[in-house]
Amino acid sequence: QQPVQSPQAVILREGEDAVINCSSSKALYSVHWYRQKHGEAPVFLMILLKGGEQKGHEKISASFNEKKQQSSLYLTASQLSYSGTYFCGLDGGTSYGKLTFGQGTILTVHP
Amino acid sequence: DAGVTQSPTHLIKTRGQQVTLRCSPKSGHDTVSWYQQALGQGPQFIFQYYEEEERQRGNFPDRFSGHQFPNYSSELNVNALLLGDSALYLCASSPGRNSYEQYFGPGTRLTVT
Repeated sequence: QQPVQSPQAVILREGEDAVINCSSSKALYSVHWYRQKHGEAPVFLMILLKGGEQKGHEKISASFNEKKQQSSLYLTASQLSYSGTYFCGLDGGTSYGKLTFGQGTILTVHP
Repeated sequence: DAGVTQSPTHLIKTRGQQVTLRCSPKSGHDTVSWYQQALGQGPQFIFQYYEEEERQRGNFPDRFSGHQFPNYSSELNVNALLLGDSALYLCASSPGRNSYEQYFGPGTRLTVT
């Protein structure tokens, strides 16, 4: 089942913070976060694994609540380059790499 | 270090035709996954290849098939194209069968008329 992301869209001024949530009705093994700019490929941001391990490549933080089957992505001191659509992808644990993506959250950062 | 590459960039086909899309994984990656992304939606998993075999498959009909070559590159074939097959087709590669991190290519935009 497709994870549910909220909010669907958010508009920020540079320097403001944002939180994007991702929830699932099924047990999760890992949560993957990607950002996609218009006309471009999704770019890997972070993985959160069951048990608390995190792997990320940018200065973005996230949390993973296994009991609630939820993840949140925290964007602090937003920059213009943060604009794009953010997707969470879920791995139920039985299949490495078979990700089920949410519908996306559109983030727009204005000067 | 080249990232994931895909060809062609854009493609226009007619209903009923067949299409082949190509993907070269990132250097050092041996696992390739294919996704379909409709406009305004998140990517949907089609299938994954590892060691030249289809390892997993999403909810896509048999019209969608693929192949992985010894050099880890991959092809996605779609037969009997439907209007609903119009989408961005993304290839993602990862290093090793148990790796979690997937890196996406720029995609192939397929339009079926």
